Amino acid sequence: DVKVTQSSRYLVKRTGEKVFLECVQDMDHENMFWYRQDPGLGLRLIYFSYDVKMKEKGDIPEGYSVSREKKERFSLILESASTNQTSMYLCASSLWDPGGTQYFGPGTRLLVL
Amino acid sequence: AQSVTQPDIHITVSEGASLELRCNYSYGATPYLFWYVQSPGQGLQLLLKYFSGDTLVQGIKGFEAEFKRSQSSFNLRKPSVHWSDAAEYFCAVGAKGTYKYIFGTGTRLKVLA
Repeated sequence: DVKVTQSSRYLVKRTGEKVFLECVQDMDHENMFWYRQDPGLGLRLIYFSYDVKMKEKGDIPEGYSVSREKKERFSLILESASTNQTSMYLCASSLWDPGGTQYFGPGTRLLVL
Repeated sequence: AQSVTQPDIHITVSEGASLELRCNYSYGATPYLFWYVQSPGQGLQLLLKYFSGDTLVQGIKGFEAEFKRSQSSFNLRKPSVHWSDAAEYFCAVGAKGTYKYIFGTGTRLKVLA
């Protein structure tokens, strides 16, 4: 069965803190994605990775960075958290085939105070 | 510009009634089309997808969707809604040759007992 897990369901951080969100998939997928979900805006792509150590910016990369040292793990980093980064963060993975089905994790709801 | 429109932000139906959720897209290439469902506080679960072939596709939980190229639509339907279908539904468009999905802003479904 397809499984994408995210390290935390809920996080509360303070402005200026460095925040790490972890995502792990057990499907041997090449592609991994980080999205941000906000009411009325749907899902917006922050970054994606198509291979270990490879990454590409999505639509809203500002204020975020990513790391993919192993195939199964994709981390999203908020270098200095700000209140406007309070949101739901969703990780997804897919096979190498562009356009292929993306499978999502349960999400991390981040509150930055 | 590429876009996905879900014109209904909220829909309320009675349990047992039929359901249709609308999705319209604007996409230059031949699209891959997806419907996802998100229960409260959860990640996205794939309901169904269309890549090619038969334009009427069947998904999980009794859902189906029909691709109409002439109308640039991919509407989701269910003949009889159950209370457990209350959730948010997202339409997404992808394409062969691109990793990127474009998501609609979602339709929140409420089911009355």
